[in-house]
Amino acid sequence: QVQLVESGGGVVQPGTSLRLSCAASGFTFSKYAMHWVREAPGKGLEWVAVISYDGNNKFYTDSVKGRFSISRDNSKSTLWLQMNSLRAEDTAVYYCGRDQGGITEIARGALDFWGRGTVVTVSS
Amino acid sequence: EIVLTQSPATLSLSPGERATLSCRASQSVNNYLAWYQQKPGQAPRLLIYDASNRATGIPARFSGSGSGTDFTLTISSLEPEDFAVYYCQQRKSWPPFTFGPGTKVDIK
Repeated sequence: QVQLVESGGGVVQPGTSLRLSCAASGFTFSKYAMHWVREAPGKGLEWVAVISYDGNNKFYTDSVKGRFSISRDNSKSTLWLQMNSLRAEDTAVYYCGRDQGGITEIARGALDFWGRGTVVTVSS
Repeated sequence: EIVLTQSPATLSLSPGERATLSCRASQSVNNYLAWYQQKPGQAPRLLIYDASNRATGIPARFSGSGSGTDFTLTISSLEPEDFAVYYCQQRKSWPPFTFGPGTKVDIK
């Protein structure tokens, strides 16, 4: 069965960096775009970034552009989110999610499987 | 950026009742709208994609309708496990993909 397991969260100070990982199993990772979505405390869901199945296309929400970088290694079925210059407002549960589409499009946009999330807290 | 609004913010109902949740987009999203369910401490789950298509394994009591700017998620008869927060999300114009603020369905 499809499994997505995030790791790498923690408590960090503002201005520092963190790298999140998402280990995928149970499907052909290289055939799907992948997303990061976050949920700040008491808030709703916010889409963060997407990477195409082959890693050649990456898109970000404006608030993280230039600070966060999404990447993947299809040989390891692993997705990453490198987060630099972290701010208090980046505090959230970060979920990785599989895009519903396949290799015929950069991203379909609906997320059909999600991990359980990893908690990032940015605080001095 | 397409903004999604959801109403009501909270819906208080009893098991067995019908739930009707609304999602409105700031501009047309055609039918490129999805609905997710999220329970406390859990990841979201895809319920409906492209406005009216149930995702794999989703019970038939969940249905979606609408197009353009106005969409509805209906739960025909609430089961105890359906009390949760529901989000709509558009994929018509991105980035960014955007979510609505959510509707909480709680037990009356």
